[in-house]
Amino acid sequence: EPEVTQTPSHQVTQMGQEVILRCVPISNHLYFYWYRQILGQKVEFLVSFYNNEISEKSEIFDDQFSVERPDGSNFTLKIRSTKLEDSAMYFCAIGQGLNSPLHFGNGTRLTVT
Amino acid sequence: AQSVTQLGSHVSVSEGALVLLRCNYSSSVPPYLFWYVQYPNQGLQLLLKYTTGATLVKGINGFEAEFKKSETSFHLTKPSAHMSDAAEYFCAVTVTGTASKLTFGTGTRLQVTL
Repeated sequence: EPEVTQTPSHQVTQMGQEVILRCVPISNHLYFYWYRQILGQKVEFLVSFYNNEISEKSEIFDDQFSVERPDGSNFTLKIRSTKLEDSAMYFCAIGQGLNSPLHFGNGTRLTVT
Repeated sequence: AQSVTQLGSHVSVSEGALVLLRCNYSSSVPPYLFWYVQYPNQGLQLLLKYTTGATLVKGINGFEAEFKKSETSFHLTKPSAHMSDAAEYFCAVTVTGTASKLTFGTGTRLQVTL
């Protein structure tokens, strides 16, 4: 069983719509991450989140993206106005400390039409 | 900045044969290196990791990898392939103090045939 559950497993949305991807860790962790994998390409880092704030983000993570932990357990990734090129598998990952191994969820496949 | 190169996007081996998946890294500081496996429709599962200490690291499912600084390599091996090893394998690197921000390679799809 994965240490983190992601919902939904697959989401289809129209271009310009907002989507929220959810991540629920089974146990308490300090570090949260979002990665994405465009079909046929490498897994790319999007953002890391620690102590209720973003600790690092990549160039991909522009103003259309945001993350939060609204209730102290769920960790969400919001894309405000989706574009076709946002279609990808989005992975949530959790860690317990700097350079500790990451545990990934099964991913959410986002399809933007 | 660090990077990872995985040679061979597809590798095919016979069941029982040696598995060798290649990974070379580039880093200006001592790296932490990882291998992850992705089975169909699943997330990334950690196979093994190298941080410090022994350069030969053993992971789950009989896999192991050796950190060779002189060759900037971290190749993944398994003496005898099993059908259940068919999956995509990703090498990844991070450096100290970066809160586990991983840089992944492009992945190698392993096919195991009878």
